[in-house]
Amino acid sequence: DGGITQSPKYLFRKEGQNVTLSCEQNLNHDAMYWYRQDPGQGLRLIYYSQIVNDFQKGDIAEGYSVSREKKESFPLTVTSAQKNPTAFYLCASTTRRTGELFFGEGSRLTVL
Amino acid sequence: QKEVEQNSGPLSVPEGAIASLNCTYSDRGSQSFFWYRQYSGKSPELIMSIYSNGDKEDGRFTAQLNKASQYVSLLIRDSQPSDSATYLCASDGGSQGNLIFGKGTKLSVKP
Repeated sequence: DGGITQSPKYLFRKEGQNVTLSCEQNLNHDAMYWYRQDPGQGLRLIYYSQIVNDFQKGDIAEGYSVSREKKESFPLTVTSAQKNPTAFYLCASTTRRTGELFFGEGSRLTVL
Repeated sequence: QKEVEQNSGPLSVPEGAIASLNCTYSDRGSQSFFWYRQYSGKSPELIMSIYSNGDKEDGRFTAQLNKASQYVSLLIRDSQPSDSATYLCASDGGSQGNLIFGKGTKLSVKP
């Protein structure tokens, strides 16, 4: 089935460690996104990529890094520089034709 | 700053009633609008897209768009307890690419 796969679903990290969240899509979408959601808050855009080998910072990129080496994959690294990384991370992709954004199931990161 | 605003709720309706969720947006250039449903602990799920003024119906859901008033709404007819969730409104903010999301309205449907 077509969709967006995020892994892991749950992740625990010690302070000072970098972690990488995986996002893979088989929808043949050009654009991919990473959002962060905190309890009771809206979605905040971290990074996005509209084409392979190119990506742009969103509203809260500090402490995060991404790569887009393949159309299907857009991994997010949460670095030790991110001061408050505990959150629900959502990967999404879209086709320019409709602008409809589709989400993966999310990855919940907890820093111990 | 482009914004999408929603009443955070909670909005409580009895089972079988019509739930009305509202959203306003700041950028007059916005062309595309979306409603997402998000159950607690889950990711958002697209339920409606609307691109032109007027109503768009899909089953029990009706999206309404009024560009002159910069207003989007979602009506849920015959509300069911399974409709209890947070509903996110989003617009394209006038540019193709990044959606701007509201913070969501929490809906509770009481049996």
